[in-house]
Amino acid sequence: EILLTQSPAIIAASPGEKVTITCSASSSVSYMNWYQQKPGSSPKIWIYGISNLASGVPARFSGSGSGTSFSFTINSMEAEDVATYYCQQRSSYPPTFGAGTKLELK
Amino acid sequence: QIQLVQSGPELKKPGETVKISCKASGYTFTDYSMHWVKQAPGKGLKWMGWINTETGEPTYADDFKGRFAFSLETSASTAYLQINNLKNEDTATYFCARYPYWGQGTSVTVSS
Repeated sequence: EILLTQSPAIIAASPGEKVTITCSASSSVSYMNWYQQKPGSSPKIWIYGISNLASGVPARFSGSGSGTSFSFTINSMEAEDVATYYCQQRSSYPPTFGAGTKLELK
Repeated sequence: QIQLVQSGPELKKPGETVKISCKASGYTFTDYSMHWVKQAPGKGLKWMGWINTETGEPTYADDFKGRFAFSLETSASTAYLQINNLKNEDTATYFCARYPYWGQGTSVTVSS
């Protein structure tokens, strides 16, 4: 099973600040997805296939990486971005999730 | 539009059984597999397994072999998750997912 290690576990950012979350895989994966989850809601696909924004996701979000190292970036933090973000790999069985990064507003 | 609508919250005692439903609409049910994901209170997401909606064959993650059962009612475009012999640690929200679409989650509380 591929272990996904997300960092940091919690991050606080001010409006307009750049935010970067990393996801490190224990073995190489071909694709990485990112989900956004707000309290009381189900996860929403945010970025798929490493760098593709899901429908409706603002352009201030981006994803990058390859092999075992991936990152999720918000260019300019907004209040509506407060949520927990999870990375997920489905290119190796079984699918696994990172532990999540809780993004708070400073 | 594609929707997955899950059944309502459940409060159960240890040792009891719960069966959660996930009704799909907006697409051909048998064209896509259905996955189940567990989220314990304040915790992350854990993949439980999936069911082939064409054949009905379930596949369980290692931590979910034994007391957990996936099933289908294809005529009703509905998938089910049954948990037998409930334990306190089964307290969680359970999601069905037909990637990238997710149900709204079903809260299961196990308490004596």
